[in-house]
Amino acid sequence: DAEITQSPRHKITETGRQVTLACHQTWNHNNMFWYRQDLGHGLRLIHYSYGVQDTNKGEVSDGYSVSRSNTEDLPLTLESAASSQTSVYFCASAPGTGTDTQYFGPGTRLTVL
Amino acid sequence: QQQVKQSPQSLIVQKGGISIINCAYENTAFDYFPWYQQFPGKGPALLIAIRPDVSEKKEGRFTISFNKSAKQFSLHIMDSQPGDSATYFCAASPNYQLIWGAGTKLIIKP
Repeated sequence: DAEITQSPRHKITETGRQVTLACHQTWNHNNMFWYRQDLGHGLRLIHYSYGVQDTNKGEVSDGYSVSRSNTEDLPLTLESAASSQTSVYFCASAPGTGTDTQYFGPGTRLTVL
Repeated sequence: QQQVKQSPQSLIVQKGGISIINCAYENTAFDYFPWYQQFPGKGPALLIAIRPDVSEKKEGRFTISFNKSAKQFSLHIMDSQPGDSATYFCAASPNYQLIWGAGTKLIIKP
């Protein structure tokens, strides 16, 4: 069955370290998204991609970067982790045509000490 | 304006009752209005969605009511069950992105 996976599921890191969160989908979806979820803020868009080599900033992109070298993967990199980036991170994908439905991964809980 | 305002933040309903969650938007370019359901430790999953050409959509116990002139839409859960306890998010889409409400934590008391 097609699916979207995220790894690791839990990560503890130290301030200043570079961290990469993986997102892999097997639906062959064009569109992929990264969100962070914090209490009281719902889901906030970090970066998104509408296809290979395409990346765009969302509303909370400072301190984060993404790259899209193939259809299946959109890794999220925290260049220099900060305590304010402690959060739950969700990756989502969508076909890009015919429907706006987004399908979410299980999330990664990141703690920056 | 890109915001979607959702209320209430939390809601407690007795088993068998009706749960109602409301959302409001400002941008008339929005053309897709989904509701997502999220259980603890899981990612959100699409529950039901509506487009502005209809005023109501029903799927089982879940109904979206849509008021285009007031720029509001709501989720009604009939005969609420303990298994419906979750966080619910409304969203609105302008062209394949989703603008999210802040979420409502729903608790159904047995």
